[in-house]
Amino acid sequence: EPEVTQTPSHQVTQMGQEVILRCVPISNHLYFYWYRQILGQKVEFLVSFYNNEISEKSEIFDDQFSVERPDGSNFTLKIRSTKLEDSAMYFCASSVGTGVGEQYFGPGTRLTVT
Amino acid sequence: QKEVEQNSGPLSVPEGAIASLNCTYSDRGSQSFFWYRQYSGKSPELIMFIYSNGDKEDGRFTAQLNKASQYVSLLIRDSQPSDSATYLCAVRNTDKLIFGTGTRLQVFP
Repeated sequence: EPEVTQTPSHQVTQMGQEVILRCVPISNHLYFYWYRQILGQKVEFLVSFYNNEISEKSEIFDDQFSVERPDGSNFTLKIRSTKLEDSAMYFCASSVGTGVGEQYFGPGTRLTVT
Repeated sequence: QKEVEQNSGPLSVPEGAIASLNCTYSDRGSQSFFWYRQYSGKSPELIMFIYSNGDKEDGRFTAQLNKASQYVSLLIRDSQPSDSATYLCAVRNTDKLIFGTGTRLQVFP
């Protein structure tokens, strides 16, 4: 069964450093998402991406964040200058369509900012 | 502010019993509703989705939707210890999913 994959599974970085989190969505899916979950808190939406453009973003997704689909398979989330409060699990998700499309989540990347 | 509310639990049920998990949402215009299961330290796993009022059954799981009451529920029949997890209710709003805080379910032998 196809699944969303993410690398790395765990990333430790120092405050102020740039990180890139990588995702490979399910191959026939057209809509891609990033969510995050701070330990003990709810899953929060960051950004959605379709047709090589951001279609929606949350207040969390400020100028420090960017997304890119550099080739036909990868989808990346970049955090330019990490802060302590960026420590969280970051989940990539994908769906065939929007509207009623179900979103399938990858295993996540645990980001620890020290 | 569009919200999704769940009782955080834990909900404890004996093995073989029916577990009933509930969720309310604030946006009356919501059309798509999802239940995810999340084991500790893992990612959300989609287990049910429902778009129309009424019941939808899939194996041991039944999702129930009442749009007039803005209420979604998940029933798990013949609960097993392996069902012990946090169950997240999610509601689609435009492109994104809005999640509740989740209900922790404990199934004891």
